[in-house]
Amino acid sequence: AQKVTQAQTEISVVEKEDVTLDCVYETRDTTYYLFWYKQPPSGELVFLIRRNSFDEQNEISGRYSWNFQKSTSSFNFTITASQVVDSAVYFCALSEANFGNEKLTFGTGTRLTIIP
Amino acid sequence: KAGVTQTPRYLIKTRGQQVTLSCSPISGHRSVSWYQQTPGQGLQFLFEYFSETQRNKGNFPGRFSGRQFSNSRSEMNVSTLELGDSALYLCASSPQGGSLNIQYFGAGTRLSVL
Repeated sequence: AQKVTQAQTEISVVEKEDVTLDCVYETRDTTYYLFWYKQPPSGELVFLIRRNSFDEQNEISGRYSWNFQKSTSSFNFTITASQVVDSAVYFCALSEANFGNEKLTFGTGTRLTIIP
Repeated sequence: KAGVTQTPRYLIKTRGQQVTLSCSPISGHRSVSWYQQTPGQGLQFLFEYFSETQRNKGNFPGRFSGRQFSNSRSEMNVSTLELGDSALYLCASSPQGGSLNIQYFGAGTRLSVL
């Protein structure tokens, strides 16, 4: 069964600091996809990134970067020079490629607070 | 392009009643998935509809049901409400079926059961 663990329940950092959100996953499949979503106070989940299990390249998008390491089953997310607008709950999620039976499994989320 | 629209945003019901939530996906998206979010259980997958057919379902009792119309709009129904059904219900749409695809979420319907 697939599982996602986000051990950090809450993180607070001062604006402009860098912060890393951890995500560890479990799956028996060799083919799977990993996601990060952001949930601001308004409630909707905002898609940030999708990664498939065959692509271990790290990715950078502006102040955001992701480190995918299959050897440790981790898919960590770093925000550089954090801003108050980054305050939100961040979810890591996993979907195994079982055609017709794919389900998105979310971690419990990390609440990030950026202190001005 | 308009995003995913969920109505109503807030709902208050009493135990034993039933409720229907509505979701309008992004234009052109054929898949609609529903999720329940609670402080205790987190985000849990309810079911997915694709081209008017239930494609997949999570581990929820039969009181939770849904349907999808020919215009891809979807409704979720919960019968015989229990206190534990109080939650934020999120709907997500994607162009194709399956959770490997990027899903675009609505702002949710917050249901309170008294």
